[in-house]
Amino acid sequence: QIVLTQPSSASASLGASVKLTCTLSSRHTNYDIAWHQHQPQKGPRFLMKLNNDGTFKKGDGIPDRFSGSSSGTERFLIISSLQSEDEADYYCQTWSTGPIVFGGGTKLTVL
Amino acid sequence: QLLESGGGLAQPGGSLRLSCVGSAFPFNNFAINWVRQAPGKGLEWVSRISGFSGRTFYPESVKGRLSVSRDTSKNSVFLQMNSLTAEDTAMYYCAKEDDSGSYIDKWGQGILVTV
Repeated sequence: QIVLTQPSSASASLGASVKLTCTLSSRHTNYDIAWHQHQPQKGPRFLMKLNNDGTFKKGDGIPDRFSGSSSGTERFLIISSLQSEDEADYYCQTWSTGPIVFGGGTKLTVL
Repeated sequence: QLLESGGGLAQPGGSLRLSCVGSAFPFNNFAINWVRQAPGKGLEWVSRISGFSGRTFYPESVKGRLSVSRDTSKNSVFLQMNSLTAEDTAMYYCAKEDDSGSYIDKWGQGILVTV
């Protein structure tokens, strides 16, 4: 069973950069994931598909400030030049034959 | 491009049927998921219907109570929810997968279900 683990919270200052982490269960080190942003009172928004080799493909209209990287079982979402609207919950998601799996989400606070 | 409907207030033990209508892409080419978020909780996947085969998948937590189906002629997917409990209270989102049938690349705005 695939498990995705995310810290429950993170914070960074306006204009700074932040690196959010999603950790795959140890047996699933080669899995690709997707990152989603969920702002209050809105539907979630697909940000990118992040491959285990660190390459990524972003969704339509996602700013250049958003990027991804991978290392072992860890998948990262990097947000640079933080803006107030980046304050949201961020979820990683992966898949196997059939079920979809979400991480618990990280609440990002922009200070 | 994904619009949910059919939510609202339901009695414990009752039933509700959610609908998701899509535009700009044919549902029979893409898998569609239902994902919910209970108050104060994270995203929880509750069903998936494959694009080409129409095969369905559920987590153990809802198997037997929730049922997903589709009408490709109307580009619609439905979530039938039976034997509802307070734990089913949540925002329900319809979510489309990419054409490789893996990650979610489009979300609806969501519909509220209160039990």
